[in-house]
Amino acid sequence: GQNIDQPTEMTATEGAIVQINCTYQTSGFNGLFWYQQHAGEAPTFLSYNVLDGLEEKGRFSSFLSRSKGYSYLLLKELQMKDSASYLCAVMDSNYQLIWGAGTKLIIKP
Amino acid sequence: IAGITQAPTSQILAAGRRMTLRCTQDMRHNAMYWYRQDLGLGLRLIHYSNTAGTTGKGEVPDGYSVSRANTDDFPLTLASAVPSQTSVYFCASSETSGRDTQYFGPGTRLTVL
Repeated sequence: GQNIDQPTEMTATEGAIVQINCTYQTSGFNGLFWYQQHAGEAPTFLSYNVLDGLEEKGRFSSFLSRSKGYSYLLLKELQMKDSASYLCAVMDSNYQLIWGAGTKLIIKP
Repeated sequence: IAGITQAPTSQILAAGRRMTLRCTQDMRHNAMYWYRQDLGLGLRLIHYSNTAGTTGKGEVPDGYSVSRANTDDFPLTLASAVPSQTSVYFCASSETSGRDTQYFGPGTRLTVL
């Protein structure tokens, strides 16, 4: 079966760095997406990785290792507005997204 | 209109009633999707459409139907609602059905009593 695992909840301090991990087992691989979702709102796109390595975009970076079925999202210089759920999704061989349950990130002052 | 709109924003529905959730996009995207989001679970694909005139079944299609008469609109119909269909429903679109980013509408919160 297809499976995406990520921690349910994480807590971090304003100004710090946090790493959210995602492991996956899917039928085929056409890339991994990270989305941010604030409570009561729609998911919004953060990053896409299809090749191994690190993609940096401002305060956010995303890493992929296809051989290990592993990705992480790194958030630097945390701000209170980063309090949200972070969703990991893998595009399978049919180009359909398989979603993790999301990681709720709580930022404390 | 900018992006994707969904209507209604929220709805309380009696079990057994028929309900259509509306979704419209103005980005001329070819592919559109319907997901449901339940607490503790990832988004689950209900139905999708790769291009106008075609539709396909996702992971959880039972009890739902869709149509894609044109590029912009992708309504989702619950023929006879049941309490297990209580959920938040998101419509999304992408430029193509390939390795393209999906963009989401604001969602419809549906409660079936």
